[in-house]
Amino acid sequence: AQSVTQPDIHITVSEGASLELRCNYSYGATPYLFWYVQSPGQGLQLLLKYFSGDTLVQGIKGFEAEFKRSQSSFNLRKPSVHWSDAAEYFCAVARGSTLGRLYFGRGTQLTVWP
Amino acid sequence: GAVVSQHPSWVICKSGTSVKIECRSLDFQATTMFWYRQFPKQSLMLMATSNEGSKATYEQGVEKDKFLINHASLTLSTLTVTSAHPEDSSFYICSARFAANEKLFFGSGTQLSVL
Repeated sequence: AQSVTQPDIHITVSEGASLELRCNYSYGATPYLFWYVQSPGQGLQLLLKYFSGDTLVQGIKGFEAEFKRSQSSFNLRKPSVHWSDAAEYFCAVARGSTLGRLYFGRGTQLTVWP
Repeated sequence: GAVVSQHPSWVICKSGTSVKIECRSLDFQATTMFWYRQFPKQSLMLMATSNEGSKATYEQGVEKDKFLINHASLTLSTLTVTSAHPEDSSFYICSARFAANEKLFFGSGTQLSVL
C-alpha cells in the first residue's frame, strides 16, 4: 500500500539557518511526489513536484527537493530560512494515475526563531 | 492565479443537523474536485473524488450516505455532512484540478464543529 512518512512532527530553526524536512514514501511504481505548505487560514500551496527526470527539483520560495529512489526519500531543503517560512509542510504522493488523489504525510510544523 | 474558494470557513452545528460546504473554482473550469478531511495534528485523508456531472468516487471507509458530494457544474462541488455527529468534527479541504493543464489548487478549508 502507498504511504508517506514525515518522521519529524515539529522542527525549530533559527532564521538564516539551513533546513531539511524529511519525507519517505512507499510506492510500487515510479512515484509522483509533492511538497505543499499550509499557512493558517490559507489553502495548501504547492512548493514543488517530481514526476520524472532530474532528481533535484527546484521549487518556489527558494525550496528544493531531491528524489532518492534507493532511499525512498524526497527531502525538502532550503539553504537559508526566513521567518515567513514558518508553516506546516506536507509531503504527498499521487495515488495511481489520477493527479489530485494524493496520500499525504502527517505534516511537519516549522517554527523559525528570529 | 487560479483560486479555489471554500465556504464557509467555519461552521458550528447541532448534532443531527446537516451541513453543506461549497468548493468553487473562481477563474477556471475544474472537471475534477477532491475532498479531504484533516484531523488535528494529522495528515489530510482523501475522502472522495468528484467529477462534474457524475457520481463521486469514495475512498474505502468513507460513508457515501453520510458525506454527500455533488458536482453539478464545472466550477462548483458541494459536500454535505448529513446528520452530523461530534465525531464528524474536523477540518474539510477541497481541491480542484484545472482541466486545461491538470494543475491542482486547494481551498482554504472549512472547520466543522458539531456540538
